[in-house]
Amino acid sequence: QVQLVESGGGVVQPGRSLRLSCAASGFSFSSYVIHWVRQAPDKGLEWVAVISYDGNNKYYADSVKGRFTVSRDNSKNTLYLQMNSLSAEDTAIYYCASGSVAYNYGRGFDYWGQGTLVTVSS
Amino acid sequence: EVVMTQSPATLSVSPGERATLSCRASQSIGSDLAWYQQKPGQAPRLLIYGASTRATGIPARFSGSGSGTEFTLTISSLQSEDFAVFYCQQYNYWPPWTFGQGTKVEIK
Repeated sequence: QVQLVESGGGVVQPGRSLRLSCAASGFSFSSYVIHWVRQAPDKGLEWVAVISYDGNNKYYADSVKGRFTVSRDNSKNTLYLQMNSLSAEDTAIYYCASGSVAYNYGRGFDYWGQGTLVTVSS
Repeated sequence: EVVMTQSPATLSVSPGERATLSCRASQSIGSDLAWYQQKPGQAPRLLIYGASTRATGIPARFSGSGSGTEFTLTISSLQSEDFAVFYCQQYNYWPPWTFGQGTKVEIK
């Protein structure tokens, strides 16, 4: 079955960096567009970034553009989110999510990881 | 950016009753709308895509309707496991993929 498992969250000081990972299994990872979505404590869902199946196309929310970088290693079935210049506003649970249609950017996000908590605090 | 607005913020419903949730888009998105359910401490779960198509394994008591700018999620007879927060999301104009702020369905 499809499984997405995030890791790398933790407590980090403002201005520092953190890299999240999302390990995928149970499907042909290299054929799927993958998104990052975050959720601040007791808040709603916010789309963060997306990467194409081959890693050649990436899009970001304005709130993270220039600070976050999404990448993937299809040989390792793993997605990454490099987060730089973190601030308290980046405190959230970060989920990776994908659809169920290969090469497709949208139609809803069928599969989600359990999320990893990032806390930005001094 | 397409802004998604959900109403009401909170809906109090008794088990067995019908719940109707609304979602409005700031511009026409055709039928490119998804609904999610999120329970405390869990990741969101896709319920509906294409405004009205149930995702795999979703019970028939969940139904979606609408197109353009006005959408509705209906839960025909609320079960105890249905109480949660529900989000709509558009995927017509991207990036970004935008979510509504959520509707909490609570036990009356």
